[in-house]
Amino acid sequence: DAGVIQSPRHEVTEMGQEVTLRCKPISGHDYLFWYRQTMMRGLELLIYFNNNVPIDDSGMPEDRFSAKMPNASFSTLKIQPSEPRDSAVYFCASSFESTTSSGETQYFGPGTRLLVL
Amino acid sequence: GIQVEQSPPDLILQEGANSTLRCNFSDSVNNLQWFHQNPWGQLINLFYIPSGTKQNGRLSATTVATERYSLLYISSSQTTDSGVYFCAVAGYQLIWGAGTKLIIKP
Repeated sequence: DAGVIQSPRHEVTEMGQEVTLRCKPISGHDYLFWYRQTMMRGLELLIYFNNNVPIDDSGMPEDRFSAKMPNASFSTLKIQPSEPRDSAVYFCASSFESTTSSGETQYFGPGTRLLVL
Repeated sequence: GIQVEQSPPDLILQEGANSTLRCNFSDSVNNLQWFHQNPWGQLINLFYIPSGTKQNGRLSATTVATERYSLLYISSSQTTDSGVYFCAVAGYQLIWGAGTKLIIKP
């Protein structure tokens, strides 16, 4: 398997624009996680899905953020409208089972480096 | 919620040195993992170690669950070991420490 695939790898946009980040999890993995990493706040879990269903979105910062998983092989994280404070690296990760109940690790994609001007 | 603290926050060593990174957590957990984020940003799982000791090459980890801490040992450091090492524990979800930034100088 190619691992978790994210696109784009880099995104530069202007404040107010819509940004869509994409993720393809590892085939067969039932869990998908979206994280945001900044120098100030470190790694933050934004939302995670189990079998394409959002389970916990309490980490989503505000209504400008939304995430979908229309099928087992694709997820999107959308920011509309984007703001400079959204600048960060956004990681997608997937796992076969819940990391809370087993030793299953999360496999991370390479991340999308977002800069909002 | 569970608190995860890592120490030291920064560590600079010469190539060939050994190092010990520490992770303290505030409550019982059934899952503890160590990750390495390389200078290019890629996050790689190193160990799943809720208790006991594991070794993988020059790296080893020990978790003493009853005392709520875990240690990551790196022996004979190489420049490729540079990066940030994260400890993450699972209660309801993975809770991440702030990381230890390790720089190995040639």
